[in-house]
Parts: sequence; structure tokens; C-alpha cells
Amino acid sequence: GQQVMQIPQYQHVQEGEDFTTYCNSSTTLSNIQWYKQRPGGHPVFLIQLVKSGEVKKQKRLTFQFGEAKKNSSLHITATQTTDVGTYFCADMDTGRRALTFGSGTRLQVQP
Amino acid sequence: SQTIHQWPATLVQPVGSPLSLECTVEGTSNPNLYWYRQAAGRGLQLLFYSVGIGQISSEVPQNLSASRPQDRQFILSSKKLLLSDSGFYLCAWRSPTILKETQYFGPGTRLLVL
Repeated sequence: GQQVMQIPQYQHVQEGEDFTTYCNSSTTLSNIQWYKQRPGGHPVFLIQLVKSGEVKKQKRLTFQFGEAKKNSSLHITATQTTDVGTYFCADMDTGRRALTFGSGTRLQVQP
Repeated sequence: SQTIHQWPATLVQPVGSPLSLECTVEGTSNPNLYWYRQAAGRGLQLLFYSVGIGQISSEVPQNLSASRPQDRQFILSSKKLLLSDSGFYLCAWRSPTILKETQYFGPGTRLLVL
């Protein structure tokens, strides 16, 4: 079945540093969704990318969808302690209308 | 507005005991419903999904089962829990409208099997 790989598994940054997590697939992704899960919480939807090469921004967060629709990235500029959590990418299975999640990247921000 | 509820929030159960986790959605009709499991420090694994009452699709063969007795109610069950069933169980819903792909997650149930 569809597999979505996400790297790095964990990243520890100083507050103010940038952070990037990458999502890759060997097959074409139908659309990519990004979720954030705070420690002890549940995943919360951030954004959806559908078009090849699409770039979307939410304040300090920049989301990109690769031209070949086989990879995606989330970049956070000037991290803050409120950015702490695990970031998941997920691909929508068009048949099941269900999500296949990447393994997640856990971000720790040192104040 | 739509809300999703799960209970209980936490549960400690002995091996071999039965399980029933409940999920309900308010403020929407005919949602697609999902059960995911998250092991500690890991990603989310899809267990079951449902597109309507009585319609359940199982993703992973195991000792868990799911039922949807009402449009906005989704239940996860087991007759005999295993140690490996421990984890964080998340229910999610999405609109049946094909253009709305976002999934909304409930607060989850933390299950510890001892």
C-alpha cells in the first residue's frame, strides 16, 4: 500500500532558528495534508496542498508540494516555543477517503 | 458548528478484558468516520473507516472490531484485549462532500493494557 516517509524523526532547535520537515513518497501523492499534534493532544489540521508545485504560507509556516507530487515540506521560520509538537504529513487515499500518515517529526524548541 | 467527542479519556484494562470506546459527532450528517491508533511516539495507523450506518471497512486484521449503529456514532470494541492493544485511540470525521478532505480528530482515548 501507499507509504509516506517523513524525515527527520526528531529535531531540537534553539528558539529563533528555522525548522524544516520533509515528506516523501515513491508514488504520486493525490493531495498532502499537514497536521500538528501538541504533546498529549490530538492532531490538528494545518493545511492541504493539491496542485503540483503549490506553495502556501501561514504566518511563519511555509508549505510546499513538489512538482512531481512525490514530496512535500513544511518550513517554520524563527521557531517559537509554541511550535513544539509533532508535525505529520498525510496523503489522502482517494479510494478509501482515508489518510495515510507519515511517521511524524517531533520538534523541540529550546527557549 | 461541528464537534467530536470521545470517551473515556483514559482507560486501564487487564489483558483479556473486553473493550468499548465510543465516538460521537455533532453538527453534521452522514460523516465519514475513522478510528486510528497511535503507539507511543509513533505515527497514526488507520484501523477502521465507515462511510455510513452499518458500513465498516477494516484496515488491519486484529482482535479489534468497529460498529456504527447510528449515523454519528462510531464504536471500537474488543472481546479480549492484548498487551499490544495499548495506545492512543483517535476517532476522526470528515465531510462526505468530496471537495472537503480535512479530517477532524477527537480528543482521543489513552488505553493501557496491563
